[in-house]
Amino acid sequence: EAGVAQSPRYKIIEKRQSVAFWCNPISGHATLYWYQQILGQGPKLLIQFQNNGVVDDSQLPKDRFSAERLKGVDSTLKIQPAKLEDSAVYLCASSLNRDGSTDTQYFGPGTRLTVL
Amino acid sequence: AQKVTQAQTEISVVEKEDVTLDCVYETRDTTYYLFWYKQPPSGELVFLIRRNSFDEQNEISGRYSWNFQKSTSSFNFTITASQVVDSAVYFCALSEWITDKLIFGTGTRLQVFP
Repeated sequence: EAGVAQSPRYKIIEKRQSVAFWCNPISGHATLYWYQQILGQGPKLLIQFQNNGVVDDSQLPKDRFSAERLKGVDSTLKIQPAKLEDSAVYLCASSLNRDGSTDTQYFGPGTRLTVL
Repeated sequence: AQKVTQAQTEISVVEKEDVTLDCVYETRDTTYYLFWYKQPPSGELVFLIRRNSFDEQNEISGRYSWNFQKSTSSFNFTITASQVVDSAVYFCALSEWITDKLIFGTGTRLQVFP
């Protein structure tokens, strides 16, 4: 079974530029998560989707970050405009959650963003 | 508030030594889940174990074992006979039953030297 796919793996941009990340979850997984992991810290949840609806985006900086999950499968996370403090690894995860129970989250390889 | 504390920032051992990674959590919920993930240098978080709050049985999987103690709110992870391939950052995480959101600790970097 294929795991969570993410692209690109690395991205370098200058501050105030825009950037987008893509995630394809494990087939059949209803829930998709985006996490931000700053160097030396644990991942922090940015947004959680259940199918194509948002469950939790309380920690998403909505003035510059946006995310969507059209058709309940793939998802994109966008930053516009980027700031220096956005330099981090952006991790996508998915879980089955078909019956509303808590399931294990499986993570993709992440996108390492460097903002200069 | 939910919180996960991994007090050990970095641990160094020599191959074949046993090592224990500590994890202490805080939550007001009676139903919750605890996880351990491994993050090798490649960066991907690899799932190791999931435990629910009603199951306090210790678990062993090969060289890995986990000790869950609700009385001390701890979920410690032991690697027996460590190997160089065990070198990674290990994260403990807490998930509450309703939200599913994972709250991670700050991680423990384990270095195993040959």
